[in-house]
This record gives sequence, structure tokens and C-alpha cells, in this order.
Amino acid sequence: DVKVTQSSRYLVKRTGEKVFLECVQDMDHENMFWYRQDPGLGLRLIYFSYDVKMKEKGDIPEGYSVSREKKERFSLILESASTNQTSMYLCASRPGQGNSGANVLTFGAGSRLTVL
Amino acid sequence: GEDVEQSLFLSVREGDSSVINCTYTDSSSTYLYWYKQEPGAGLQLLTYIFSNMDMKQDQRLTVLLNKKDKHLSLRIADTQTGDSAIYFCAENPSGGYNKLIFGAGTRLAVHP
Repeated sequence: DVKVTQSSRYLVKRTGEKVFLECVQDMDHENMFWYRQDPGLGLRLIYFSYDVKMKEKGDIPEGYSVSREKKERFSLILESASTNQTSMYLCASRPGQGNSGANVLTFGAGSRLTVL
Repeated sequence: GEDVEQSLFLSVREGDSSVINCTYTDSSSTYLYWYKQEPGAGLQLLTYIFSNMDMKQDQRLTVLLNKKDKHLSLRIADTQTGDSAIYFCAENPSGGYNKLIFGAGTRLAVHP
């Protein structure tokens, strides 16, 4: 089974701190994603990456950046955390288009970030 | 623009059937999905349906797709307390392979 691992389940940070959220997948998937989940709003795409060092903005990229230096790892960075970034962050991965299982997105368990 | 809508809350009695409804906007979406999220966990794929199908059944789960009305439903037969979770509907719009659109999620509460 594909495994998507988010290293931090719970984080508490202060306003202005730099925050790194790490995600690793073990199935050689080309595509990786960062979503933000808020009650009543569902999942909103922050950024995704379709290859090493490649990234594209999602629907809400403001205040975030990402890094994909290795195929298996996709990091979400909050350069200066703010209270409105308190949320659940979900990482996901997916094979490249045309590959077996390409229509299925596999999620990590989530990282709940609180910014004070 | 693209949007997926679903009601936010559903309460059912244990043993009854649950029906969770969803409407979407992109009529050319290739796949439509149902994901389940249990408390404190990420999303887990429950089932999906290809757009050329009307129905898909998998044990207690039945997915119905009405393309004309852009309506998707998930029926859970013999609902159990372990089915209590948030259920997300999602569509894969045409031309947007990496941009699944999710609904806000329906919280299913199962009571004795």
C-alpha cells in the first residue's frame, strides 16, 4: 500500500515563526500535494508538485511556499506564521497521469498547526 | 467556477441506510470520488466512479451518478457506529488532472 507520512501530527508555533511541514511518500509518485482543511470549507489546494523541483500554485498559495528537492519528499513552508494559518494541513500523492492508480489520491494523516 | 456542494450534517439511526448527496459543476469531470475522514485522521478513499457509469456497488456502499443533474450520491446500507465520520465528495475536472475539487464534507453521526 502507498504510504504518505507527515512527520508532525501536532505543532504549536508563535506568530512570526518559520514553520516547516514535511511529507514523505514511499511509492515513487510523481505528483504531491498540500491541502489545507478548515471546518465548513473542505479541502483547499495550496500547492502541488508534478516533478522534482517543479511546483504549481493551487487555490490559496498566499503565505506559503514549497520545496521538492527529492521525489519522495514535499515540504510546506510558512515563512512567517500568522494566526489565520491555524489549520489542519494534509499532504497527498498520486502517480503520474496514465500510470496505474493515477486516478487515486492518497493522503497522509494530517498535521494540525496552531499559531498563537 | 468549479464548485462541489454537499450538506454539512446527517444523523441516522444504527441499522438504517444513510444517503449522502453531492452536486458538482463540471459536466466533463472524468472521475468522481467519495473519501472518508475519521476523527484525527487523513482522508481515506472509499470509492470512485468513472463518468460513463450510472451506478457502482461495493459491499454496503452504492454510488449513484446522475450526469444530467450533476448529482452524486453515496448510500451506506446497514449503517454502523463505525461509519461515523466526515464524507467528502470530490470531482476531477477536465483539464485539471492535478486539481481535484472537494466539497466541504458531510458529517455523518450514527446513533443507537
